Amino acid sequence: QQQVKQSPQSLIVQKGGISIINCAYENTAFDYFPWYQQFPGKGPALLIAIRPDVSEKKEGRFTISFNKSAKQFSLHIMDSQPGDSATYFCAAADNYGQNFVFGPGTRLSVLP
Amino acid sequence: DAGVIQSPRHEVTEMGQEVTLRCKPISGHDYLFWYRQTMMRGLELLIYFNNNVPIDDSGMPEDRFSAKMPNASFSTLKIQPSEPRDSAVYFCASSLRDGRNQPQHFGDGTRLSIL
Repeated sequence: QQQVKQSPQSLIVQKGGISIINCAYENTAFDYFPWYQQFPGKGPALLIAIRPDVSEKKEGRFTISFNKSAKQFSLHIMDSQPGDSATYFCAAADNYGQNFVFGPGTRLSVLP
Repeated sequence: DAGVIQSPRHEVTEMGQEVTLRCKPISGHDYLFWYRQTMMRGLELLIYFNNNVPIDDSGMPEDRFSAKMPNASFSTLKIQPSEPRDSAVYFCASSLRDGRNQPQHFGDGTRLSIL
């Protein structure tokens, strides 16, 4: 019940295309859903996060869509750029944000 | 503002040796996390501290692993004795909890290789 499932495992997108990564969870106590971006040799860094009281959050080219009833959330990267090539992790946390559970990650490659 | 600082960045040692990884969290952060990252298992939470006190160590794989936080600005993760299967990248992260789900800030990790 603590797991967060993530798909696809890897994704190849052409420059300018839309990248979509999906996650699903079971634990209804989760109420904070961040996405982290990790470049090789670096630690994960927070990209964008959402709470279940909204269905969508947009920051620049990055959008999180959240479906509370389905217990699913997704990351959309519009106008994908080669610099977006990285590994993306979804995560979920409980009420106090400290019981973090990470998804297994998606390796995104954006072709020039 | 300095981020989370981990040392060493790389560590290569022979099995059976003691390994100590170090972490300096962001000043003012009251939560500190240790993670292990491998290709097979992804990011695994090993242990986390709140105000220097270990809260949940259920992710620590074996008694060979131990972690301490003697003060608010320093933590160590120790493996004794080390084994080849401990080879991984170990991350430290810190966060500031104010009840509004603050992000975790990660260091750049220690790449550990046990021969």
